[in-house]
Amino acid sequence: EVQLVESGGGLVKPGGSLRLSCAASGFTFSSYNMNWVRQAPGKGLEWVSSISSSSRSIFYADSVKGRFTISRDNAKNSLYLQMNSLRAEDTAVYYCARDGPPPCLDHWGQGTLVTVSS
Amino acid sequence: QSVLTQPPSVSAAPGQKVTISCSGSSSNIGNNYVSWYQQFPGTAPKLLISENNKRPSGIPDRFSGSKSGTSATLGITGLQTGDEADYYCGTWDTRLTIGVFGGGTKLTVL
Repeated sequence: EVQLVESGGGLVKPGGSLRLSCAASGFTFSSYNMNWVRQAPGKGLEWVSSISSSSRSIFYADSVKGRFTISRDNAKNSLYLQMNSLRAEDTAVYYCARDGPPPCLDHWGQGTLVTVSS
Repeated sequence: QSVLTQPPSVSAAPGQKVTISCSGSSSNIGNNYVSWYQQFPGTAPKLLISENNKRPSGIPDRFSGSKSGTSATLGITGLQTGDEADYYCGTWDTRLTIGVFGGGTKLTVL
C-alpha cells in the first residue's frame, strides 16, 4: 500500500524557516517524480514544487521561488521542502503527492500544517 | 486567482446528473492531460480522473471526464449525498513549468 507521511509543520514567525519531510513507503520511491501542494485555510489547492525521480529536474511556483528548496533522498525514501523567509501568506496545509504514470497526482499524504504568525 | 477556471459551486438533487467545467489555455489544458480530484473537508485530495477521462481502480463509473480543446468537464451521474465535496481540476502548464489547479467547485446535493 502506498503511504506518504508528512512531518515538520508547526508555528513559525515571519522571516523564519522550517523544513518539511515526507516519508514514502509501499512503492519504489526512486522511480517516481514527487510534488508539494499546499492549501491555505478555506482556500483552494496550490502547486508549490516538483522534483523528478533523479532530482535532475526541479520546478517551483513563482510564489515560492528563491525561498523554498525541494529535495529528495532516494536512499531514505524521503522528500523534503526547505522553507526560508516565511511569510504569513505561506500559512497552509502542505501535502506531498506522488506523480503517476499516468501524469497526475495519484497518491497524497495527510498533510502537515504550517502557520506563519508573530 | 487560479490559472484554470471552475465555477465556485454547483448543485443538484439526489439521483440527478451534474457537470463541472474547467477552462484553461493552450499552454495547459490544450496540450496536457487533465486530472480531477475530490476533497472532503479536513481530508487530503483524492484522485478521481486521470488522463482526461480514465478512472483509477475503485472509482465508480458514475464519475466521468472529458476534454475538448482548452476545456475539460467532470460529470457525475446518480448523485448521492456522499458526493458532496470540493472538486478540483489540475494539469501541467508548459509555459509556467509548474502544475496548476482550478479554484475548486463545491458540490451540493440538495
